[in-house]
Order: sequence, then structure tokens, then C-alpha cells
Amino acid sequence: GAGVSQSPSNKVTEKGKDVELRCDPISGHTALYWYRQSLGQGLEFLIYFQGNSAPDKSGLPSDRFSAERTGGSVSTLTIQRTQQEDSAVYLCASSLHSSGNTIYFGEGSWLTVV
Amino acid sequence: GEDVEQSLFLSVREGDSSVINCTYTDSSSTYLYWYKQEPGAGLQLLTYIFSNMDMKQDQRLTVLLNKKDKHLSLRIADTQTGDSAIYFCADLYSSASKIIFGSGTRLSIRP
Repeated sequence: GAGVSQSPSNKVTEKGKDVELRCDPISGHTALYWYRQSLGQGLEFLIYFQGNSAPDKSGLPSDRFSAERTGGSVSTLTIQRTQQEDSAVYLCASSLHSSGNTIYFGEGSWLTVV
Repeated sequence: GEDVEQSLFLSVREGDSSVINCTYTDSSSTYLYWYKQEPGAGLQLLTYIFSNMDMKQDQRLTVLLNKKDKHLSLRIADTQTGDSAIYFCADLYSSASKIIFGSGTRLSIRP
């Protein structure tokens, strides 16, 4: 597609379950970002992938969070043993390269942990 | 550490100009961005400015950058009801290649 695609768009899960969120970046974009936006809050950086370099994981809030990017394209954000405070919108973005002058966001995956 | 700050709320009358302000701490910024988020929607890139520019204009939008004071502003001329949204300022933190966002300014339009 033409834009950044994320799935699922909405996910309700029980506390303690694992969830996987998927991001399909714009074709050809080498940089991929994950952010989290809690209700009424700003954007919190989670993780950044650039090409084949080691990802910048400095924003991951705990070891329950992990992300991978296969083949330099699709990325999956995994949250293990979900907690209620994990409820948020998880936003993926991609850009052509790390200088980042064209950064585009997906619509987000709305996660609710009950 | 890196930080981007914005005021949380702005209310303007329809037809007036809106000015949304942002300050940042990164002294090596390369790009600064403005994003718009409408209720229930994702983030839409409005405009960006390269750090060697002072001003960028795009139709009703004017971005001003004061690099010395690390101050960025977004002016929306002739504000309309469709401009109601949250506006995020963001800074490409060049030393770490990650983008830091402000908390967003909620713009509301009154008749």
C-alpha cells in the first residue's frame, strides 16, 4: 500500500496475555520507529530500526517489550504478560532513511488490557 | 537529556490566527516537525523545517525557527473549525537518530 500499515487496528486482551502488533512500513523506507501514546499523553519513543544496524531499544519500558524487524521490512512489537498500564495506542512510523525528513505514521494499534 | 515542550491548550476564535509554540533542548537538531492528530486518528505530518532555515511557509501554515533560543512555532492563518486537533512538535534528535515529541497542544476553535 501507499502508507504505513498497522494491524490489528484494535486489540482487547486480558491481563497477563501476550500480544503482537504488526507494522508494514512504506516500501523502500529503511528507518522504522515504534511509539506509544497513552490516553491524553504525548508520544513516547519505544524503539528504532535503521537498515541492518542494531536497533535503538532505549525507549522500551521493560523487558516485557520486544520488537523485531524481519528482512528489513515488516516489524512486530511483542508485549508479554500484558498489564493494564500497557493500554495505549502503539504507533509505527517509517522514513526513507535516518535523516528523517519524510516520516510517516500509521493509524496505530489501539491496545486495551482488561 | 533531550526534551521537547509545548503548552497543552490553545483556544482561538474562528478566522483568527493560531500560534502554537514549542521549545527543544537538542543543540544538534537537523529537522523539526509539526504533526496534527485529529480525534481518533493517527498522526499526520503537516510540515517540517530544516535547521538551517528560519522560516517556511506552506499555504495557511508558517513555521518559524529561532535556533539560538531553540524555539519553534507554527502559525495557522484564518483558523477554521477543521483545524481543531492536537498539534505535536517533534525534533529529530540527530545524535541518536530518534524523534522526540512534545506532549501536544490541543487547539480548540470558538465561534
